[in-house]
Amino acid sequence: QSALTQPASVSGSPGQSITISCTGANSNLGNHNLVSWYQQHPGKAPKVMIYDVSERPSGVSNRFSGSKSGNTASLTISGLQAEDEADYYCCSYTGRDWVFGGGTKLTVL
Amino acid sequence: EVQLVQSGAEVKKPGESLVISCQASGYRFSSNWIGWVRQMPGKGLEWMGIIFPFDSDTRYSPSFQGQITISADKSISTVYLQWNSLKASDIAMYYCVVPTGGASWGQGTLVTVSS
Repeated sequence: QSALTQPASVSGSPGQSITISCTGANSNLGNHNLVSWYQQHPGKAPKVMIYDVSERPSGVSNRFSGSKSGNTASLTISGLQAEDEADYYCCSYTGRDWVFGGGTKLTVL
Repeated sequence: EVQLVQSGAEVKKPGESLVISCQASGYRFSSNWIGWVRQMPGKGLEWMGIIFPFDSDTRYSPSFQGQITISADKSISTVYLQWNSLKASDIAMYYCVVPTGGASWGQGTLVTVSS
């Protein structure tokens, strides 16, 4: 059981927006802004989409955005595209080390 | 640009020992945490542990404490993941990761354990 809780799956149609939540505790998400989101396509290494809660690495589409409120972080993908279908993982610093969420499978209908 | 280059795939028998490596470049190796992540077939990502190469401060996730050893050689900017006695359940892809400053990942090392 992961310290960070994500929905197992979310889905949306092309062009729509979806949000993936990541719920933790005061010990991790609540007290730290080292929150990142990773996209993983089958057979590929994870790719960072968001770091430090809301920062986007160069080369990542501005359709991806991150936020945090209290013990919950969120990843929003706007204008869904077929290529966004993948697994998404949140990750947070705990004050001692790092922890992942269990992952969310995004299906683009 | 941060680059993490991992050693190649390994095939081992149960009970054998193994060390895999990750050579870093493009940033100050000694002053950034670097760690290892496991991904078992069809499963999610799990942090195994992390090391601060400057003083070798190492922190293991509870699930992996006592099962693995993480070490670093500052002189060659390389971090290692070691098993003393592999089990079939160690079959997985292993990634080295620098979790801060935008996060960087190695390409992964596939470890297969089979008799």
